[in-house]
Amino acid sequence: GDSVTQMEGPVTLSEEAFLTINCTYTATGYPSLFWYVQYPGEGLQLLLKATKADDKGSNKGFEATYRKETTSFHLEKGSVQVSDSAVYFCALSDKRDDKIIFGKGTRLHILP
Amino acid sequence: GAGVSQSPSNKVTEKGKDVELRCDPISGHTALYWYRQSLGQGLEFLIYFQGNSAPDKSGLPSDRFSAERTGGSVSTLTIQRTQQEDSAVYLCASTYRDTHTDTQYFGPGTRLTVL
Repeated sequence: GDSVTQMEGPVTLSEEAFLTINCTYTATGYPSLFWYVQYPGEGLQLLLKATKADDKGSNKGFEATYRKETTSFHLEKGSVQVSDSAVYFCALSDKRDDKIIFGKGTRLHILP
Repeated sequence: GAGVSQSPSNKVTEKGKDVELRCDPISGHTALYWYRQSLGQGLEFLIYFQGNSAPDKSGLPSDRFSAERTGGSVSTLTIQRTQQEDSAVYLCASTYRDTHTDTQYFGPGTRLTVL
């Protein structure tokens, strides 16, 4: 079945460092891909999404490009801030069955 | 309200008791999902409702778990004879129509503790 694999955390970086959180997926069809974020004490919210190959999703300085050839959707940010500390979930939605499959999440700690 | 709401926000129960968790989706959203988030684990899909179609129950971990959605709106997740391993945050999400592209909007969750 469809699945999402993302790098295990926690990931600890200093402020202004470059961030990459790896995400790869397995899907039979052509899924949409998402990154959701859960800030401390808050609910899950969509960070960005891409619905077809080579699309780039971006929001709040974060970017991720849908790479069909490598089945990847890595999350990147050029200069992280303390306020980016959160848990990040990669997810996919396969149109065949309308379910959204989430990765296990990656906890990010940014040190001042 | 504008968002997905869930109640109660916290529930503490004794092993063996039944619990009901409620989700009010965003008005007009036809799809509703329940997930479970256990400590140190990711989001585990439980059940999915889409319009008037039969729900996708493939994620329910046992027959102690059930859910219904009345009138295409409010949903109730019921856990019978709760066990300690049921302790988790139960999240509800809704989306307008096309889950392939539409954003899922999550509620704040219900934290369930089974003693």
